[in-house]
Amino acid sequence: QVQLVESGGGVVQPGGALRLSCAASGFTFSSYGMHWVRQAPGKGLEWVACIRYDATNKYYSDSVKGRFTISRDNSKNTLYLQMNSLRAEDTAVYYCAKDRILVTGDFDYWGQGTLVTVSS
Amino acid sequence: EIVLTQSPATLSLSPGERATLSCRASQSVSSFLAWYQQKPGQAPRLLIYDASNRATGIPARFSGSGSGTDFTLTISSLEPEDFAVYYCQQRSNWPLLTFGGGTKVEIK
Repeated sequence: QVQLVESGGGVVQPGGALRLSCAASGFTFSSYGMHWVRQAPGKGLEWVACIRYDATNKYYSDSVKGRFTISRDNSKNTLYLQMNSLRAEDTAVYYCAKDRILVTGDFDYWGQGTLVTVSS
Repeated sequence: EIVLTQSPATLSLSPGERATLSCRASQSVSSFLAWYQQKPGQAPRLLIYDASNRATGIPARFSGSGSGTDFTLTISSLEPEDFAVYYCQQRSNWPLLTFGGGTKVEIK
C-alpha cells in the first residue's frame, strides 16, 4: 500500500533553516510528480511546491519562492523540502502529497504531516 | 491566481440529511477541480477529481458536479463519519494550484 512518511519538522527561530523529508513506498516513486502542501494552525490548505517525476522542473508558490527548494532522490524514494529564511508565517503542518497520475496536480495520497514552528 | 470561494463556511445538518457544498472559481477551471475531506488531526483525503469522478474507494453517496466556474459536492445521506471539513482545489492553472477556504460540515 502507498505510504508517505514526513520527518524533519520542529521549532526554528525566524531566519533559520530546516529540511523536511518524505519517504515514499508502495508505488513507483520515480513515475509521479510530488508536492508539498502546508496548513497553518486552524487554517486551510496552501500548495507550496511541486517537482516533476524526473526532477526536470520545479515550481513554487509566490509565498516561498526564493526561500524554499524542493528536490527528490528517486534512488532513495525520498522527497525533500529545504526551507531557508523562515518566517513566523511559515508555521504550519507540512504534508507531502503524490500526484494522482504522472503530473496531474491533484493528490491521491498524502503523508500524515510534520509540524514546523517558527518562533523565537 | 485562481481564487476558489467555498460556501457556506459551515453547514449544520443531521445524519441522514443531504449536504450540498458549493465551490466557485474566479475564472473558468474547465473540469479540473477536485474535492478533499479532512478530519481533525488527519491528512486530507481525495474524494472527487475532475469535477465528477469518485476516487478509489469513495462511497457512492459522494458525488460532484459542475464545470467552468461553479461546482457542487453532494453527500446524499450523511453518515456519522462524514462530519468533517471539505476543500475544493483547482489544477487548471497548473502548476499554480489553489484550494478553497473550506466548508465545515457539523452535526446539528
